[in-house]
Amino acid sequence: EAGVAQSPRYKIIEKRQSVAFWCNPISGHATLYWYQQILGQGPKLLIQFQNNGVVDDSQLPKDRFSAERLKGVDSTLKIQPAKLEDSAVYLCASSPGTDYGYTFGSGTRLTVV
Amino acid sequence: KQEVTQIPAALSVPEGENLVLNCSFTDSAIYNLQWFRQDPGKGLTSLLLIQSSQREQTSGRLNASLDKSSGRSTLYIAASQPGDSATYLCAVRPGDSNYQLIWGAGTKLIIKP
Repeated sequence: EAGVAQSPRYKIIEKRQSVAFWCNPISGHATLYWYQQILGQGPKLLIQFQNNGVVDDSQLPKDRFSAERLKGVDSTLKIQPAKLEDSAVYLCASSPGTDYGYTFGSGTRLTVV
Repeated sequence: KQEVTQIPAALSVPEGENLVLNCSFTDSAIYNLQWFRQDPGKGLTSLLLIQSSQREQTSGRLNASLDKSSGRSTLYIAASQPGDSATYLCAVRPGDSNYQLIWGAGTKLIIKP
């Protein structure tokens, strides 16, 4: 089966610019997650979708970050405006349900200069 | 509040050795525990998923055990190879969560040829 697809792989932007990341989960996976991973740390959950509804966005900095999952399939994560501390790898993962593990995409490495 | 700790933060061993990576968690009420591998600049690859009712899972040279009562999991790697060099993360799904994972910070493993 095809894995979780993410694009772009790398992005370099200046602070105060905007950026968007795209994720296409494994077909049939109802749950989709966006994580932020800063170098040397474990992933931090930003937002969790169940189909096209938000389950948990408690750690999403809503003043600058937004995410959507239209039609319950692919998803986009946007940052506007970006700050230096947003430099990280942004990981998308999907899962078919509670008894299954997660499958991660290869991530997008964002550098804000 | 569930917390996950991985010790040591880094480990370097000669090729061919058997080794154990440790993961501890503070609340034994978990749904499952998952071990991941992360290569530098890459996404996460799921290695093993252990449900709360299971004691261990095996895949090739990898064996993961789970002891809920003591709040511990170990990842055993047999006959280590240089290609095993990566960061290994464990993640716990608490029993009361909507699929959210609680992550350790990882153990960086280096296998010396």
